Amino acid sequence: RKEVEQDPGPFNVPEGATVAFNCTYSNSASQSFFWYRQDCRKEPKLLMSVYSSGNEDGRFTAQLNRASQYISLLIRDSKLSDSATYLCVVNGDNYGQNFVFGPGTRLSVLP
Amino acid sequence: GAGVSQSPSNKVTEKGKDVELRCDPISGHTALYWYRQSLGQGLEFLIYFQGNSAPDKSGLPSDRFSAERTGGSVSTLTIQRTQQEDSAVYLCASSFVAGNTEAFFGQGTRLTVV
Repeated sequence: RKEVEQDPGPFNVPEGATVAFNCTYSNSASQSFFWYRQDCRKEPKLLMSVYSSGNEDGRFTAQLNRASQYISLLIRDSKLSDSATYLCVVNGDNYGQNFVFGPGTRLSVLP
Repeated sequence: GAGVSQSPSNKVTEKGKDVELRCDPISGHTALYWYRQSLGQGLEFLIYFQGNSAPDKSGLPSDRFSAERTGGSVSTLTIQRTQQEDSAVYLCASSFVAGNTEAFFGQGTRLTVV
């Protein structure tokens, strides 16, 4: 089993749609969780950290379920500019110092 | 600078040559990571440094790859005797505390081995 798995995608949605991404991780000792976005031929950029209580940043909501080792990202009222690949990131290894990246889910928001 | 800086941004080299890729992390960040990304693929972990601890080299694909971090700041990734399969974007990231705070990426070095 891969350390971090994500919906395979791609997701093609119309503007204004709500879209949800799912991520599961295998290391039960992981303590830090993030969502990054990566535009085509660009470096990944932090979208938001994911906290145990869940957190929201504008149109974006992240949830963490430690018992199920599951993370989600919800995007409401999607914009054309949201088109990107969304990467789920978890800290891993025995010391919790490394970051393990999921394979990413590509989102295309269509006009 | 304010962000992670990588150089060169692009490198074309002949098969069999050695290359050095440089990463200058954000000032004050103790952790530094190297990843590579082939076209259309996900990020592949290579190596990370945390403070003065021994680096975690578990992701280096072969002994042709090595990295060092001098003075706890700038890092150099060296690839010896480059092969065509080494062609990829090499991304460097740094974080304030390894694994616990978010990592910030440089713009990457696009390596092409011809």
